[in-house]
Amino acid sequence: GIQVEQSPPDLILQEGANSTLRCNFSDSVNNLQWFHQNPWGQLINLFYIPSGTKQNGRLSATTVATERYSLLYISSSQTTDSGVYFCAVVGNTPLVFGKGTRLSVIA
Amino acid sequence: GAVVSQHPSWVICKSGTSVKIECRSLDFQATTMFWYRQFPKQSLMLMATSNEGSKATYEQGVEKDKFLINHASLTLSTLTVTSAHPEDSSFYICSATQGTSGGAQYFGPGTRLTVL
Repeated sequence: GIQVEQSPPDLILQEGANSTLRCNFSDSVNNLQWFHQNPWGQLINLFYIPSGTKQNGRLSATTVATERYSLLYISSSQTTDSGVYFCAVVGNTPLVFGKGTRLSVIA
Repeated sequence: GAVVSQHPSWVICKSGTSVKIECRSLDFQATTMFWYRQFPKQSLMLMATSNEGSKATYEQGVEKDKFLINHASLTLSTLTVTSAHPEDSSFYICSATQGTSGGAQYFGPGTRLTVL
């Protein structure tokens, strides 16, 4: 089945810093989503982005489907950005999740 | 829009009992719903896919007689953990999609199950 790899696995940032999270996938995909899982477990949809670039406030994402990767940019990070960021893809199987990037933003 | 709810948000039960978890799409009709399981500090693992009015499709290694899934309407799916044991303790999350299987999925807040 399709493999999804996220990097880095862990990231510690000073408040106000910028960061880039990466998601590599092993096969063609019909769907790619980025999620933020907050400390209570809720998965929050960030982007539905099978290709192209999208922006939402301090967050933006770019998927280059032909090269099988997606990037999530977080600018001017805040402590509320802490949590786990998951990339998940749909190829010829239902949604497959990467292992996530655990982000800690410290004041 | 695209809100999914789950009930209960947490449950504690004795070993051997059954527990039912509900997943509802509140503002859209969900053609397909999914059930995931997440252990501490791990990623989400798909358990099963359910389409309204038909039998669920279970992932390899998931016991269909232990994890009963019913998708009786376009807004409700239920997961029943039968004869629960401590190893079934986990965080169970549902999601729903309103379009094709490749469309965006919207996730419920999860149910934390603890079996004593």
